[in-house]
Formats: sequence, C-alpha cells, structure tokens
Amino acid sequence: EPEVTQTPSHQVTQMGQEVILRCVPISNHLYFYWYRQILGQKVEFLVSFYNNEISEKSEIFDDQFSVERPDGSNFTLKIRSTKLEDSAMYFCASSLLAVSYEQYFGPGTRLTVT
Amino acid sequence: DAKTTQPPSMDCAEGRAANLPCNHSTISGNEYVYWYRQIHSQGPQYIIHGLKNNETNEMASLIITEDRKSSTLILPHATLRDTAVYYCIVRVEGGGFKTIFGAGTRLFVKA
Repeated sequence: EPEVTQTPSHQVTQMGQEVILRCVPISNHLYFYWYRQILGQKVEFLVSFYNNEISEKSEIFDDQFSVERPDGSNFTLKIRSTKLEDSAMYFCASSLLAVSYEQYFGPGTRLTVT
Repeated sequence: DAKTTQPPSMDCAEGRAANLPCNHSTISGNEYVYWYRQIHSQGPQYIIHGLKNNETNEMASLIITEDRKSSTLILPHATLRDTAVYYCIVRVEGGGFKTIFGAGTRLFVKA
C-alpha cells in the first residue's frame, strides 16, 4: 500500500539555524500539506500546496517558513531561522484531490530546537 | 466549518465494540462528517466519512442521526492497537484544503 514518507525522523538543531524537512507524498497525489503538533497539543494546519504554489496557509506559516516541490517526488518544508517554539512534530500529508478529505499523513519528523 | 464536541476519553474492553460519539449540532446540509485517528505520536490516519447515510468500511462504521446533529463511530471488535485519539471533523466537501483537528477522544482499549 502506498504511503507518505518523511525524513529525517528526528532532527535536532540550534536556535537560529535553518532546517529542511523532507517528504515524499504518494506518487499520484496532487495536493500536499504540512501540519505540526507541539507536544501535548492539537495537530495544526500550516500550509497546502498544489500545482507548484501555495493554496492556503495558516497564520503560523509566516515568512520564516517556505515550501517547495523541487522535483517530481519530494516536497519540502524549510524553516529559515528556527526558534525554540518551532520544536514540534511536523507531519506531511497528501491527497489525490482537493475535494477529497482523505488526506494521507506521513509518520512525522520530530524537530527539536535547542 | 461546524464545531464538534467529543468526550475527552473513553475506555473499551478488547474484543468489544467501541462506540465513539460526536455532536455537531450546527452542521449544515453540505457538510460531511469525517473521522481520523492518531495512534501515539504517529501521523493522523483517515478512517471513514459520510454525509447522511450510514457508512461502513474495513476499519469502522459511521452512524449519522437522521437530523445529522450527531454521529457515532463504531469499531466493531476493538483491539489494543485501536488505542488512539479519535477526531471527528465536520466540513464542506471541497470547501478548502486544511483539516482542522480538535482535541478528539482518547480511546483506551483494555485487555
């Protein structure tokens, strides 16, 4: 069964450093998403991406964040200058259609900012 | 999107049916009910969705009341691996891209 994969599973970085989280969505899916979950809190939407551009973003997704689909398979989330409060699990998801709410989530990347 | 209310936690004995309720009294006619679950620290997993008819798949059944103001997710034979947080989400089909997760119901399946 096809699945969304994410690398790395755990990333430790120092405050102020740039990080790139990587995701490989399901191959025939067209819509891609990033969510985050701070420890003990709800899963929060960050951004959705379609046709090489951002479709929707939350207020969390400020200028420090960017997304890119650099090739036909990868989907990345970059945080330019990490803050302590960026420590969280980051989940990538994909869906075949926008109208389909069946989003398939990856296992997540745990980002720890020290 | 309509607000949902779920109990914060529930217990279920292994092998028994787990019935997880969700209230969505302000649901509108074109809003669907979706269920996801999140097993400890893993990514959320889609379970099932429906509009007004009851739905069943290999994972669960979804029962929606006639007035659509509430629904129940049924796991027919709960196993220890079904211990997770279950999220009931109500939204318009095609009304946007994001999934808004609430606090959900933490289901404990006990041996």
